[in-house]
Amino acid sequence: AQTVTQSQPEMSVQEAETVTLSCTYDTSESDYYLFWYKQPPSRQMILVIRQEAYKQQNATENRFSVNFQKAAKSFSLKISDSQLGDAAMYFCAYLSYNQGGKLIFGQGTELSVKP
Amino acid sequence: DAGITQSPRHKVTETGTPVTLRCHQTENHRYMYWYRQDPGHGLRLIHYSYGVKDTDKGEVSDGYSVSRSKTEDFLLTLESATSSQTSVYFCAISEGASNEKLFFGSGTQLSVL
Repeated sequence: AQTVTQSQPEMSVQEAETVTLSCTYDTSESDYYLFWYKQPPSRQMILVIRQEAYKQQNATENRFSVNFQKAAKSFSLKISDSQLGDAAMYFCAYLSYNQGGKLIFGQGTELSVKP
Repeated sequence: DAGITQSPRHKVTETGTPVTLRCHQTENHRYMYWYRQDPGHGLRLIHYSYGVKDTDKGEVSDGYSVSRSKTEDFLLTLESATSSQTSVYFCAISEGASNEKLFFGSGTQLSVL
């Protein structure tokens, strides 16, 4: 069975600085997807970024980028130029290929942004 | 925002009582899911549906049942609520198996006393 681990329960960053959130996963599969979701205090789950395992190029969405290391089974999220609105819980998630929405989530990392 | 409505948004109930949570979508998406969120666990899949009357179990399905009689509605039932089922419940929908467009509802906070 696949597992996802986020070893940082809490992280803090100064506004305008860069922060990296860690995620590792365990799988024997070769085809899968990885995601980062953001959950602000409103409780809404917001997709931040998506990575397909067969793509070597790291995904990027504006200030958000990932460092995908398939051999190491690592999938970290880098937030550049942090903003107050980035404060939220961040979840890393794994999806087996063609398994619909049966995501496997990590425990989450709570990010605070200091002004 | 995707058209997903969860009801109720909050509910307090007593141990042993039945509870039904509703998820309604206006997107005509084929796939619907119920997750629960607990501190230290992230979100975990309870049940999912891949079409009308087509459902299957997820990771933490014990104590829960689901029904989908219409494309737009997916019901989650706790036959006899227990305190361990106190949680935030999320409904999600997706168009297809690749999950590129998975949308979540706003969640239901359920407290079982």
